[in-house]
Amino acid sequence: GAGVSQSPRYKVAKRGQDVALRCDPISGHVSLFWYQQALGQGPEFLTYFQNEAQLDKSGLPSDRFFAERPEGSVSTLKIQRTQQEDSAVYLCASSTTGTGNSEAFFGQGTRLTVV
Amino acid sequence: GNSVTQMEGPVTLSEEAFLTINCTYTATGYPSLFWYVQYPGEGLQLLLKATKADDKGSNKGFEATYRKETTSFHLEKGSVQVSDSAVYFCALNQFYFGTGTSLTVIP
Repeated sequence: GAGVSQSPRYKVAKRGQDVALRCDPISGHVSLFWYQQALGQGPEFLTYFQNEAQLDKSGLPSDRFFAERPEGSVSTLKIQRTQQEDSAVYLCASSTTGTGNSEAFFGQGTRLTVV
Repeated sequence: GNSVTQMEGPVTLSEEAFLTINCTYTATGYPSLFWYVQYPGEGLQLLLKATKADDKGSNKGFEATYRKETTSFHLEKGSVQVSDSAVYFCALNQFYFGTGTSLTVIP
C-alpha cells in the first residue's frame, strides 16, 4: 500500500488478556518505530528496528511488552496480561533510512482499551 | 538526556493572525528537529524539518529555525487559516516528541 497500515484500528481487551498489534510499513523502509500515545500527550517512544534487528527497546514499559520484525518488514507489538494503564493509542512509523534525520511516516494507530 | 519541551495549549487564533508555538530541546550530539502535524481524524505527518544548526525548515507558510545557542525550534506562521486547525508536535530525531499544541483558528 501507499502508507503505513496498522491493524486493528480499535481493540478492546479484558484485563489480563494478551493482545497483538500489527504494523505494515511502507515497502522498502529500513527503520520501524513503535510509540505509545496517551490521551492529550505526545507519542512516547517504545522501540526501534532497523530491518529485522531491534536496536533500541529502552522505551518498553515492562517485560509484558514485546516487539518483533522477523523478516524486516511487518512488525508485531505484543502486550501480555494487559492492564488498565496500557490503554492508549499505539502508533507505528517507518522511515527510509536508519539515520535520525529521516522523515517518519506514521500509521493511523491502534486504540487499545483495557477494561 | 534528550528531551523536548513544547508550549502548552490549546491556542485559539482568529484567521490571519500570527502564530508562534515554542519548542525547546535538550540533546547530546547533533540531532535533527522536526515539526509534525495531526489534522482532525488523520495520522501524524511531517510539516517541516531542520537537520543542523541555523537551518530553516519551511512548508505551507510555516517556518522554524534550528537555534543551537538557545536550543530552540519555534514554529511560526505569519497568517493562519481555518485549515491550519490541528495538533502540532515538536520532535527530536524520531525518538522524542513534545506533548503537542492544539491550534484552533476561527473565521
